[in-house]
Amino acid sequence: AQSVTQLDSQVPVFEEAPVELRCNYSSSVSVYLFWYVQYPNQGLQLLLKYLSGSTLVKGINGFEAEFNKSQTSFHLRKPSVHISDTAEYFCAVSDPNTGNQFYFGTGTSLTVIP
Amino acid sequence: GAVVSQHPSRVICKSGTSVKIECRSLDFQATTMFWYRQFPKQSLMLMATSNEGSKATYEQGVEKDKFLINHASLTLSTLTVTSAHPEDSSFYICSALLVDTQYFGPGTRLTVL
Repeated sequence: AQSVTQLDSQVPVFEEAPVELRCNYSSSVSVYLFWYVQYPNQGLQLLLKYLSGSTLVKGINGFEAEFNKSQTSFHLRKPSVHISDTAEYFCAVSDPNTGNQFYFGTGTSLTVIP
Repeated sequence: GAVVSQHPSRVICKSGTSVKIECRSLDFQATTMFWYRQFPKQSLMLMATSNEGSKATYEQGVEKDKFLINHASLTLSTLTVTSAHPEDSSFYICSALLVDTQYFGPGTRLTVL
């Protein structure tokens, strides 16, 4: 089974500063990778996903992530954060060969400071 | 596209009663749906995988008789918490699988008094 590690449980950052949220996964076999955002008392919203092709993936709200197979990482970045980006961010991995199960990281709480 | 709804968004019930939560895929058909439970400040815990027309697959440690899942159509899965107790209070989130991506509902906050 896969495991997903989000090393930073909390990330405070000043408004308009860049941010990187880190995600590493355990297996080097073919994977699908996802980032979701969760605002308080809400479900998860898909930010972006990597299935194949270009390793740099662009998502909604100005976020992007880069798939690095050799480092088994899928870090999320944004060049300039807004107050509205304050939320919980989850990285997830699925194995396209075994189907549907997703493995989630423990989440990173991003707090944007005015 | 790929919108998933949940109803109700919030429910308060007395201990010993049963509560039904609905999960609907509004603009696509979903053969597979998932039910998660989330504790405060924690990640999602997969409870079960719901497949249309067949029995749900429960994760280890999840009581199938307590958390009844029915996936009777390609757009609706329901989770019934039977004989609810205060320890069942939690945030329940469903998701629906569209090809290779899970799309999540907004969640249901269950409080058992």
